[in-house]
Amino acid sequence: AQSVTQLDSHVSVSEGTPVLLRCNYSSSYSPSLFWYVQHPNKGLQLLLKYTSAATLVKGINGFEAEFKKSETSFHLTKPSAHMSDAAEYFCVVSVVVSGNTPLVFGKGTRLSVIA
Amino acid sequence: GAGVSQTPSNKVTEKGKYVELRCDPISGHTALYWYRQSLGQGPEFLIYFQGTGAADDSGLPNDRFFAVRPEGSVSTLKIQRTERGDSAVYLCASSPTRGDKYNEQFFGPGTRLTVL
Repeated sequence: AQSVTQLDSHVSVSEGTPVLLRCNYSSSYSPSLFWYVQHPNKGLQLLLKYTSAATLVKGINGFEAEFKKSETSFHLTKPSAHMSDAAEYFCVVSVVVSGNTPLVFGKGTRLSVIA
Repeated sequence: GAGVSQTPSNKVTEKGKYVELRCDPISGHTALYWYRQSLGQGPEFLIYFQGTGAADDSGLPNDRFFAVRPEGSVSTLKIQRTERGDSAVYLCASSPTRGDKYNEQFFGPGTRLTVL
């Protein structure tokens, strides 16, 4: 079975400072890993995905994540936070099994950005 | 193009009633997923369709929950004898099964179900 653990339920940063949202995963197979963002009253939006290509993955809005197999981690970073980054972020793992790829979500990290 | 749409956006019902939640996937996406997101939690998998058939319904919590996709496009999630614990946001996602977006799920805005 696969699972993800998001190490912080809430992260607060000042505008213009770096963002780090931490995620560890567990998977019996080579996983696909994702970060999704959910703004209030909006649908889930894919930020970036890792599917066994480059270990450093660049996503939208300046976010990136690095897959570290030795640490079973997939932390999300951004050099400089904007007010618009305030949202809920989900780390997600998926394993393809007979064509079915249900996503397994972490519990989420709420990012607050202070002016 | 149009994304995944879900109707209604909000549904308030009374305990014991029957409800139907609808999902319109992105045109051409053969895979369709339902998830449930309870307050303060990440979404949890309910059921997966490949075409018209439910390929995996292992996430459905009990036999009050059922979903169909008769023509391989629109899907309906049906909940019988609703309970207060069914209150949640129900999310639908669709996915192509070929191409560079393979294995990427596109989510709808969800239906917020409240059972009084």
